[in-house]
Amino acid sequence: RKEVEQDPGPFNVPEGATVAFNCTYSNSASQSFFWYRQDCRKEPKLLMSVYSSGNEDGRFTAQLNRASQYISLLIRDSKLSDSATYLCVVAFDNAGNMLTFGGGTRLMVKP
Amino acid sequence: SAVISQKPSRDICQRGTSLTIQCQVDSQVTMMFWYRQQPGQSLTLIATANQGSEATYESGFVIDKFPISRPNLTFSTLTVSNMSPEDSSIYLCSVATGATNEKLFFGSGTQLSVL
Repeated sequence: RKEVEQDPGPFNVPEGATVAFNCTYSNSASQSFFWYRQDCRKEPKLLMSVYSSGNEDGRFTAQLNRASQYISLLIRDSKLSDSATYLCVVAFDNAGNMLTFGGGTRLMVKP
Repeated sequence: SAVISQKPSRDICQRGTSLTIQCQVDSQVTMMFWYRQQPGQSLTLIATANQGSEATYESGFVIDKFPISRPNLTFSTLTVSNMSPEDSSIYLCSVATGATNEKLFFGSGTQLSVL
């Protein structure tokens, strides 16, 4: 079993749709969680951290469920520019040690 | 945040040769890392570049194959030695920032093709 698992997709959605991705992790002692975005042929960029209480940044909402060991990313009112691969990242501790990347979920937003 | 300059951006190399990738950061950072991303795959950590001491390699990666230098807190190099076609990949340097070094910023990557 992979340490961090994501549905690779692709998720094909129309503009304006709401889409959600889940990511499961196997190490129950994991402390920090993040979503990164990677555009085609570009480097990953931090999208948002995921806090225990959940957090929202504009159209993006991240949630953490420690009991079921998954994190989620919800994108509302999808834009064409949201098309990218979304990487789930889990850290063993709060100092960024033992960062593990998921395989990524590809999102394609169509007109 | 951190601005990272990585070069070369791409190269095509013959098997058996070596390539050195450079990573320059615009500020002093404690934690620098080298990752590999093969086509369609996620990122795999090669090693942590330690300033003033030998790099810490992950399972499956060895110093003879991927020697790393970290002469100061703003610069690091990764060499891919004695290359084979299996080394064709994107190589990314990364730095950790944030209150507890929990956030990663990446260089733009080096796309390596070995013939």
